[in-house]
Amino acid sequence: EAQVTQNPRYLITVTGKKLTVTCSQNMNHEYMSWYRQDPGLGLRQIYYSMNVEVTDKGDVPEGYKVSRKEKRNFPLILESPSPNQTSLYFCASSPTPPRSYEQYFGPGTRLTVT
Amino acid sequence: KQEVTQIPAALSVPEGENLVLNCSFTDSAIYNLQWFRQDPGKGLTSLLLIQSSQREQTSGRLNASLDKSSGRSTLYIAASQPGDSATYLCAVRDNYGQNFVFGPGTRLSVLP
Repeated sequence: EAQVTQNPRYLITVTGKKLTVTCSQNMNHEYMSWYRQDPGLGLRQIYYSMNVEVTDKGDVPEGYKVSRKEKRNFPLILESPSPNQTSLYFCASSPTPPRSYEQYFGPGTRLTVT
Repeated sequence: KQEVTQIPAALSVPEGENLVLNCSFTDSAIYNLQWFRQDPGKGLTSLLLIQSSQREQTSGRLNASLDKSSGRSTLYIAASQPGDSATYLCAVRDNYGQNFVFGPGTRLSVLP
């Protein structure tokens, strides 16, 4: 089954404790992206990757890191989480132009930083 | 910078009604526009994708139109059902295929 998976689905952590949220897709998509969703602010793009070893900032990259060493994986790293990073996080993937590229989303990771 | 808005923010209708959700974007240089559905606390499910060269797409009771020059898209839902209750989001992708910008969503309630 074609899918995007994220782990963990729920995470409660404390300020300053480094964490990684994993994202994996099995559709051989070149493009992958991370979003956060907050009430009243909607979905905002954090980082994206057009292909292996190619990453770039989205609208809200501060406090986050990513890496793309393999095509299927795109982990999101919070080196020193803070309470303002409490949010619902989504990973997504799609093919790149010129193919028609519908985005596929993972189920989400709900992060709480205390 | 691209901005996407959706009107109305919330909508409540009786079962069986036809309805229209609106999405507007400020920069017409888009590659495509995608409509999603999101159930509370859940992920996003893709409904329809419209390429910039297309004017509409249909899937079952859903029809999405795109007027790129005026920066507008509409999602038409025919014969609404309680199971259609969800938040509907539109997202535009820039011409380079790199950035997605989402609208804030329309929260739809279909009453039995």
